[in-house]
Amino acid sequence: DAKTTQPPSMDCAEGRAANLPCNHSTISGNEYVYWYRQIHSQGPQYIIHGLKNNETNEMASLIITEDRKSSTLILPHATLRDTAVYYCIVRDYNFNKFYFGSGTKLNVKP
Amino acid sequence: DAGVIQSPRHEVTEMGQEVTLRCKPISGHNSLFWYRQTMMRGLELLIYFNNNVPIDDSGMPEDRFSAKMPNASFSTLKIQPSEPRDSAVYFCASSSSAGGSTDTQYFGPGTRLTVL
Repeated sequence: DAKTTQPPSMDCAEGRAANLPCNHSTISGNEYVYWYRQIHSQGPQYIIHGLKNNETNEMASLIITEDRKSSTLILPHATLRDTAVYYCIVRDYNFNKFYFGSGTKLNVKP
Repeated sequence: DAGVIQSPRHEVTEMGQEVTLRCKPISGHNSLFWYRQTMMRGLELLIYFNNNVPIDDSGMPEDRFSAKMPNASFSTLKIQPSEPRDSAVYFCASSSSAGGSTDTQYFGPGTRLTVL
């Protein structure tokens, strides 16, 4: 069962930052937050993950609130190629299982 | 690295036929996952293996589905007999499970199955 809540869709102008929110109010102390995206019908692509600290890599930044009940994925300069469904996933440390919810369809517009 | 390899990429078969989907995980990864994606149900985990052993098959829909992992570099998902409702995209993913801390899963391109 999905443990996260995401808006079904969002729009973003090309070149602007895309901020994708995720609520995970029932997250426990040993659960990680992962973000994946799926472009059209391709396999899901790993973006970033974190436990409690903010994280940044070449693709995105992940901001996790202090109480860990929500997080935001930030794509700093969205391009048309970033149009995809973005999944926020909470993963139990002890169980190697991901539950993919419905995700957020991000539409990047010129 | 070639990534996760799946074959075939597309499969069209008739109801009642046996279907075998294949997956080669990333070299060195010791966990392998089979997922199914449909419009109605989204992305669902069917089964996963750790060190070639099935750990959790609770997502396998029914006895018509079976999965094997005879060695670290190969896995199959078999449907026998196939039904139209099995039509979906089937993804394989692999990860390097070193105790559960950061087991990022890497997905293959998927097999699109159509059962007529």
